[in-house]
Amino acid sequence: DQQVKQNSPSLSVQEGRISILNCDYTNSMFDYFLWYKKYPAEGPTFLISISSIKDKNEDGRFTVFLNKSAKHLSLHIVPSQPGDSAVYFCAASEDSNYQLIWGAGTKLIIKP
Amino acid sequence: DTEVTQTPKHLVMGMTNKKSLKCEQHMGHRAMYWYKQKAKKPPELMFVYSYEKLSINESVPSRFSPECPNSSLLNLHLHALQPEDSALYLCASSQPASGGSYEQYFGPGTRLTVT
Repeated sequence: DQQVKQNSPSLSVQEGRISILNCDYTNSMFDYFLWYKKYPAEGPTFLISISSIKDKNEDGRFTVFLNKSAKHLSLHIVPSQPGDSAVYFCAASEDSNYQLIWGAGTKLIIKP
Repeated sequence: DTEVTQTPKHLVMGMTNKKSLKCEQHMGHRAMYWYKQKAKKPPELMFVYSYEKLSINESVPSRFSPECPNSSLLNLHLHALQPEDSALYLCASSQPASGGSYEQYFGPGTRLTVT
């Protein structure tokens, strides 16, 4: 049973426009959510996180929104740049638990 | 500084070889992790060390043997691997999971090929 789902395997966005990546979860005990970016043959890079006590967190071009009632979070990238082309993973954790539960990833392609 | 370093970057080994992967971090993190990642899949947790003690072993075969010599170093000893063990091996570190944030910072990985 997948507790964290990223239903879009890929997403194509025009450079300069907004990219919106979505993530759904089923476990109501999750209290911390993270987004990672990954280039091929490299380790994931931490992008941004959000605690379940918040509904929005912003860091430069990246904003994460959390809707706890819908068990849904999204990552907004604006404006999208060519270097944003990568696979984006959503991950979640429970309090005092080292394990991150990962989504399957969404491949973002930024078109020039 | 959010850097985790891993050596070697690439490793090719036969099924009878013994080799080791190394990981180092200087962020003062007290939790360190080994992950395995296959192409187009999310990272798969193997081991977690917390305060230099093995905290989680995700039922990993004994041909993989982790070691944490000190709070900055993490090793993964490999012996008698199978071709299906070929993957990208990732090391990560974080603050201990105790009510704080849980960001894990990853190294660049070791691309392992077992022949």
